[in-house]
This record gives sequence, C-alpha cells and structure tokens, in this order.
Amino acid sequence: GAVVSQHPSWVICKSGTSVKIECRSLDFQATTMFWYRQFPKQSLMLMATSNEGSKATYEQGVEKDKFLINHASLTLSTLTVTSAHPEDSSFYICSANPGGTGANVLTFGAGSRLTVL
Amino acid sequence: GESVGLHLPTLSVQEGDNSIINCAYSNSASDYFIWYKQESGKGPQFIIDIRSNMDKRQGQRVTVLLNKTVKHLSLQIAATQPGDSAVYFCASGGSSNTGKLIFGQGTTLQVKP
Repeated sequence: GAVVSQHPSWVICKSGTSVKIECRSLDFQATTMFWYRQFPKQSLMLMATSNEGSKATYEQGVEKDKFLINHASLTLSTLTVTSAHPEDSSFYICSANPGGTGANVLTFGAGSRLTVL
Repeated sequence: GESVGLHLPTLSVQEGDNSIINCAYSNSASDYFIWYKQESGKGPQFIIDIRSNMDKRQGQRVTVLLNKTVKHLSLQIAATQPGDSAVYFCASGGSSNTGKLIFGQGTTLQVKP
C-alpha cells in the first residue's frame, strides 16, 4: 500500500533555532501534500497545502514566514519551523493522496513531534 | 465556515460489544466523508470512506452510515476488540475537491476487557 514517511519522528530543539521536517511519498508521486498540526488531545488542523514546483497555500492564520514549506520533487515536501519557540511545540503530520484508493483519501505519515525548549 | 464535529469525546465499551461513534458536519456540499483511527503517537489510519451519494457502506467489522438530511454520519464497529482502542476522527472532503480534509474533534474509544 501507499506509504508516507516522515523524518524525524521526534525532535527537541532550543528556542530560536530552526527545525526541518521531511515528508516523503515512498511508492507514489505526489504533486500535492498537506501539512497538519495537532496539539495534545485535539484534532488535526490543516496548516498548508504543499504544491510541487510552486508556492504552498497556507490556511488562514498560519504564518508563512514561520512555517516554510518547500516541495522540490514529486516525492518530497519539507516543513521548516523557523525561529522556533515553545508554543510551536506540537505534533506535525503530513499527508498525500496516492490516488486510486478513492476520492481524496489521504494517507498520513506517522508524524513528527517537535519539542521546543 | 465549514466544520465537522463529534458528539462525544469519550466512548467506553466492553470487549465484544458493538461501538457506535457519531459525527455531525455543517457543510451540506461536502462530497465525501472519511473515518480515521489514530493511535497514540501515530498518524491517522484510514478506516472507511463514503461518498455523499451513498447512505451506507460496509467494511471489515465496520459500517459507516450517512444521513444527509440531518448532516450526520456514524461509524459502527462490530465486536469491538482491545486493538480498536484509539481516537477516531471523522473528516469531510470539501466540495471544491482540492484534496483538503477537515477533521472533527475526535472520539476516544476505550475498550474494557
């Protein structure tokens, strides 16, 4: 089946540093990937749509300069949390639609837990 | 705006019983709905989906019912097992068919042995 891989699965960083999270589609190509954020015991909140070869589309209220998204190839999208602060600590999950499994059924990565000290 | 919500935050059932998890949505133009299961510390896993032109769909031990009149859908799990313990989310695919999904708040299913 379709697999979406994220790396790292968890990361701890100091306040003020930047952290990059990678999202890869392992056995399919994805022109579009989606980045979600999830706080403890809460639902998934869509942050942005990553578009291969073009700018990402951000949801209302999501800071573009804080969360940099790059989708340089059909199998890789990266999310960089710039100048991270403790309030950026969260579970970041990416997803993509492998197609052929139903209309817009997304396959999710295992998530990346970011802790900012 | 569009929203998807769930009726109960936590559902506790006895092993072997059937579980019913409910979800309400607000956008009558939503074209499809998906149920995901999320175990602690992991990403959501697809369970079953249903399009708006259907009112019922069955999978292995799971059934999704869609009532478009009252904008409600439910997930039924037959013979609930300990491995079913997780948080369940319903998600709605918007009418724009962009691939974006809007998630409800989630119901935690606890299975008692």
